Amino acid sequence: EAGVTQFPSHSVIEKGQTVTLRCDPISGHDNLYWYRRVMGKEIKFLLHFVKESKQDESGMPNNRFLAERTGGTYSTLKVQPAELEDSGVYFCASSQDRTYEQYFGPGTRLTVT
Amino acid sequence: AQKITQTQPGMFVQEKEAVTLDCTYDTSDPSYGLFWYKQPSSGEMIFLIYQGSYDQQNATEGRYSLNFQKARKSANLVISASQLGDSAMYFCAMRGGSSNTGKLIFGQGTTLQVKP
Repeated sequence: EAGVTQFPSHSVIEKGQTVTLRCDPISGHDNLYWYRRVMGKEIKFLLHFVKESKQDESGMPNNRFLAERTGGTYSTLKVQPAELEDSGVYFCASSQDRTYEQYFGPGTRLTVT
Repeated sequence: AQKITQTQPGMFVQEKEAVTLDCTYDTSDPSYGLFWYKQPSSGEMIFLIYQGSYDQQNATEGRYSLNFQKARKSANLVISASQLGDSAMYFCAMRGGSSNTGKLIFGQGTTLQVKP
């Protein structure tokens, strides 16, 4: 069974540009989560999808971040326009049920210069 | 507010010895779950072990066990017979109660280095 995959693994962009991160969850997992770890800080929750619906987006930092999950399959996280403080590692995770363990992808390292 | 605290930024252990990584938590929810994840240098997050707040026994998974002390609000990870491949960062995380969507709250992490 394939795990959670994320693309790209690393992205370097300039301040003001747009970047789109993609996450493919484990097949059959309705729950999809985005997290972010900024350098030296804790891993922070961004948002949670159940199928295609946003269940909880309380962790989204501001309206420069837009997450979608088309058809309840893969998800994208767009940052537009990117700022320096958006640099960090963005993790995606999925689970069968919200009470079950979450399986994480390898992360996307975003560097904004 | 829910919070996870890991007070050990770094730990060393000799190969084949046991090591305990500390984790304390704070929540007012009666129902919650506690998780440990391992992050090796390659960057991926690997699920290790889970403990539910109503579980009567401490969770175990192979060489990993969770020392769950509810009254103290601690959920320490014990790794027995350490191996070189155990060198990694370890994160303690909590999932909140029934009103929670399932999001995890993480501690700051503990870097473990296993010495040969």
